Amino acid sequence: RKEVEQDPGPFNVPEGATVAFNCTYSNSASQSFFWYRQDCRKEPKLLMSVYSSGNEDGRFTAQLNRASQYISLLIRDSKLSDSATYLCVAMNRDDKIIFGKGTRLHILP
Amino acid sequence: NAGVTQTPKFRVLKTGQSMTLLCAQDMNHEYMYWYRQDPGMGLRLIHYSVGEGTTAKGEVPDGYNVSRLKKQNFLLGLESAAPSQTSVYFCASSLSGVGYEQYFGPGTRLTVT
Repeated sequence: RKEVEQDPGPFNVPEGATVAFNCTYSNSASQSFFWYRQDCRKEPKLLMSVYSSGNEDGRFTAQLNRASQYISLLIRDSKLSDSATYLCVAMNRDDKIIFGKGTRLHILP
Repeated sequence: NAGVTQTPKFRVLKTGQSMTLLCAQDMNHEYMYWYRQDPGMGLRLIHYSVGEGTTAKGEVPDGYNVSRLKKQNFLLGLESAAPSQTSVYFCASSLSGVGYEQYFGPGTRLTVT
């Protein structure tokens, strides 16, 4: 099993819809988690951190489920500008960082 | 405040040539990282540094060397380039380790022929 796994997609979602995707991790020692957004041919940029208590930022909600070892990202009222690849990241105390391969999201007009 | 910068932005090398990629950050971050990103493989960590004068191996270190002589700079060297090293290379920095956001540079597109 890969350490961090994501559905590669693409998710084709109409504008205004809600979309959610998960990311599973295999290392129970993973301590911190993030969602990054990457636009085509650009660098990844932090979307949000994922806290044990969950995290909401506007239309975006991230949650962590330690028992089942996955994190999720929910995007409400999706915009055309949300089209991108979403990368999840797991880090542990030994400075081990693993990126998922990303989930591609296309918002359709 | 430029954040993280990388030079060069593009480079074409012939097999066996050497080159150095430069990463610079002006945020006084302790940690710096070098990744490569290939289609279908995602971001993979090559080497990283937890502070000036330190380096450590990541997931795919073979064929690369690094140096962190100054806190703000992290150099990635390819001593004898191979076509398998054709990739997009990203540098990143963070204030510290676990729990801290990484800031990425714009990337270097390297082609080895």
